[in-house]
Amino acid sequence: EVQLLESGGGLVQPGGSLRLSCAVSGFTFRNYAMSWVRQAPGKGLEWVSGISDRGGDTYYADSVKGRFTISRDDSKNTLFLQMNGLRVEDTAVYYCAKRTGITILGVPIDYWGQGTLVTVSS
Amino acid sequence: DFQMTQSPSSLSASVGDRVTITCRASQGISNYLAWFQQAPGKAPKSLIYATSSLQRGVPSRFSGSGSGTDFTLTISSLQPEDFATYYCQQYNSDFQTFGQGTKLEIK
Repeated sequence: EVQLLESGGGLVQPGGSLRLSCAVSGFTFRNYAMSWVRQAPGKGLEWVSGISDRGGDTYYADSVKGRFTISRDDSKNTLFLQMNGLRVEDTAVYYCAKRTGITILGVPIDYWGQGTLVTVSS
Repeated sequence: DFQMTQSPSSLSASVGDRVTITCRASQGISNYLAWFQQAPGKAPKSLIYATSSLQRGVPSRFSGSGSGTDFTLTISSLQPEDFATYYCQQYNSDFQTFGQGTKLEIK
């Protein structure tokens, strides 16, 4: 059974940093691209970032480019999102999502985690 | 900016009804279109990929169609568990946009 478990969310002040983790099981992690998607309170889904298998290619939404960094540790079956320079508008539930192939380009999401809440507030 | 526009934003229907939700892309995306379902307080669930292919375990009352810029999600006979919010997403490019969502409510 495929499982994705996010952690690392919490309350942080504007300008602060946070590192999200997504621990996966039930599939061969190194063979699949992954993504982060967020949802602000009461709002819709927003794609944030993606990473290819082995981490060779990374992609970011304009809203987080230069502030967030996606990475993966295939030896630990874990996906990360390092978030720096956090803003109030980054407040959201952050979901990790598995793709069905090695890249995010032309390859859909099939599984989602349960999400972790990030609150940016003073 | 690459936009995905869903319509309607909300929809009221009854159990057993047939409903259709539309998603329009601001530029062509071939068939790289997915649909997701999100129940209140829950994580999204993948329903359809490549415009019309059902994810594993998704009931056959869900179907998708379209190409290029115009796409539809159809639920042939609504069940109580189908009342949720639905999102489309294009995954054609390296900036992967979601539609704003369609909330399906019980009439």
